[in-house]
Amino acid sequence: DTGVSQNPRHKITKRGQNVTFRCDPISEHNRLYWYRQTLGQGPEFLTYFQNEAQLEKSRLLSDRFSAERPKGSFSTLEIQRTEQGDSAMYLCASSLGTSERTDTQYFGPGTRLTVL
Amino acid sequence: SQKIEQNSEALNIQEGKTATLTCNYTNYSPAYLQWYRQDPGRGPVFLLLIRENEKEKRKERLKVTFDTTLKQSLFHITASQPADSATYLCALVAYSSASKIIFGSGTRLSIRP
Repeated sequence: DTGVSQNPRHKITKRGQNVTFRCDPISEHNRLYWYRQTLGQGPEFLTYFQNEAQLEKSRLLSDRFSAERPKGSFSTLEIQRTEQGDSAMYLCASSLGTSERTDTQYFGPGTRLTVL
Repeated sequence: SQKIEQNSEALNIQEGKTATLTCNYTNYSPAYLQWYRQDPGRGPVFLLLIRENEKEKRKERLKVTFDTTLKQSLFHITASQPADSATYLCALVAYSSASKIIFGSGTRLSIRP
């Protein structure tokens, strides 16, 4: 068990609905990352936070996606007006943030989103 | 364009043999390279990290090599066991973005008893 938790584990929604996922990182970790993974592919980087500051966002993160980490602890990822192409596993990871280049990321179990 | 390529076909080997997985990349200048294991329905689990100035890294039955001239990393599991069956992901961190990990699509490894 890596210690990163994500909720819910599964979400089924209808196209056009909004969904929100939560990630609770390992408690002493400063950095938090969101990835998306589709079947047969590796995780794709979406965004990351250093404490409460969102420092980098991928071009994959369209206007319909927003992420927050208000107090530098847990994070939420919201998708507005979901589309079928949003169906994927959404993974959260956290790291200590002590070393820029060799920080080990610990992944949560993911939230599987299915958009009907 | 930037690419990370791993064997797309599953690798099936006999228990006890050495499994060798390949990761090739183009148009990257990686600061370092990582290997992860992922089981179905779970998040990736970090295994090993190797820096650009390191040729080889070992951890128990695992060995990773990194050749920046060939732009290739090899991942070896010696004395393989059925419990080693999983998808193995290669991941790069580039100098241009120190915290963003770029993953390959993974290679599925099956070890038969």
